[in-house]
Parts: sequence; structure tokens; C-alpha cells
Amino acid sequence: SAVISQKPSRDICQRGTSLTIQCQVDSQVTMMFWYRQQPGQSLTLIATANQGSEATYESGFVIDKFPISRPNLTFSTLTVSNMSPEDSSIYLCSVRTGEYEKLFFGSGTQLSVL
Amino acid sequence: KNQVEQSPQSLIILEGKNCTLQCNYTVSPFSNLRWYKQDTGRGPVSLTIMTFSENTKSNGRYTATLDADTKQSSLHITASQLSDSASYICVVILNQAGTALIFGKGTTLSVSS
Repeated sequence: SAVISQKPSRDICQRGTSLTIQCQVDSQVTMMFWYRQQPGQSLTLIATANQGSEATYESGFVIDKFPISRPNLTFSTLTVSNMSPEDSSIYLCSVRTGEYEKLFFGSGTQLSVL
Repeated sequence: KNQVEQSPQSLIILEGKNCTLQCNYTVSPFSNLRWYKQDTGRGPVSLTIMTFSENTKSNGRYTATLDADTKQSSLHITASQLSDSASYICVVILNQAGTALIFGKGTTLSVSS
């Protein structure tokens, strides 16, 4: 199993500012994943964070808007840049480990942009 | 188009009652199907993982079924408790490596006393 500490748990931000979300895993993992969960919608993968290389972004998500850092095998950050109200959402980090590549999630960051 | 549809969107039941949540998928290929429980303000937590050959899998009061022919899965909750109030998410995995996932939108269950 894996335990993921994610912070902040929630934040209220002003339009045009940036927020950095942190995730710390209790074990070394090759890849970490960042998801967005908008109200009433399914989880959407933003990007895959690899240690030692650039993150891989899914269609519709770009590095300038969601820069990601992965300095080591247990830590990653996601920054939501130049925020607008449309960025209001829950952001989740995740890792896969064990049999069937079981998914483990952080507790999520509830972001509200005014 | 690969899709995972869950029903109902929301459900309210009395404590102690049973309920069944549905998940229909139009996904190919198929490796396994997972049910997750997401409490408010928390990340999703795995309940069950079912492969193509498994029909039923239980985890305490939670029982998941899978019919790979009709591409349907259900999650049955027995003797519901207030702590079962949460969102239940169905996830279909397309490949053996577990790297291609499609999430349903979830069913929000409210258990009242």
C-alpha cells in the first residue's frame, strides 16, 4: 500500500494568482499522477510526473498552466497558474503500486477561485 | 468511444437498508474493473478489483459483481451505515499495466438515520 500526504486540503484564491499543491508519498514510486475532479464530473488525468524528466501532459492540459515538479521518488508538486474561476475544482495526486497497479490517492485539494 | 456510465447519479436510503449501484461500460479492451469509495473531502479508496474472469467479489458489506458479456457491474451494499455516505466511483482499466483508466462520474449515496 501507499500513504499519500497532500496539502493544502483547501484554499480560496484570487483570480490571476497561483497555487502550489504538494504530495508526499511514504514509499518510492516511479510515477505520480495528478487528477482534476470537477463537480459532477469524473476524474480527469492532468499529467504524469516522472522523476528526472519532464511531466507528460494529457490533451487539454499544458505545462504553462499546470507546471509540475518531481525532485525525487517520493515528492511532487502541481502548480495551478494564473487562476480563473474555471479552475475551481478538487485536485488529487495518485500513485500506482502493488498487485494490479492499485491506485492510491491523496486526500485532495479543494480549490475555489474568486 | 470508451465510456463508463454509473447509475443512479444519487441515492438516499435509510440506515440498515440495502442498495445496489450500477456501472455500465463500453470499453475495449478490458483488463479489470474497480470500485472506489470517496468520502467528502477525501481521496478515493479502493473497495474491490475484479478481473475479466471474476463474477463476484466481496469486501465486508460491499459485494461487487461483474458480467463481462453484458459489460455491467454492480456494487451491493448490505445493511447500510451512516459511514457509507460517500461517492462511489467505477473505474475500468483497459490494459494489463493498469496505465489506461476510464473513470465513471460516480454515484453519491446518502444514508440517513
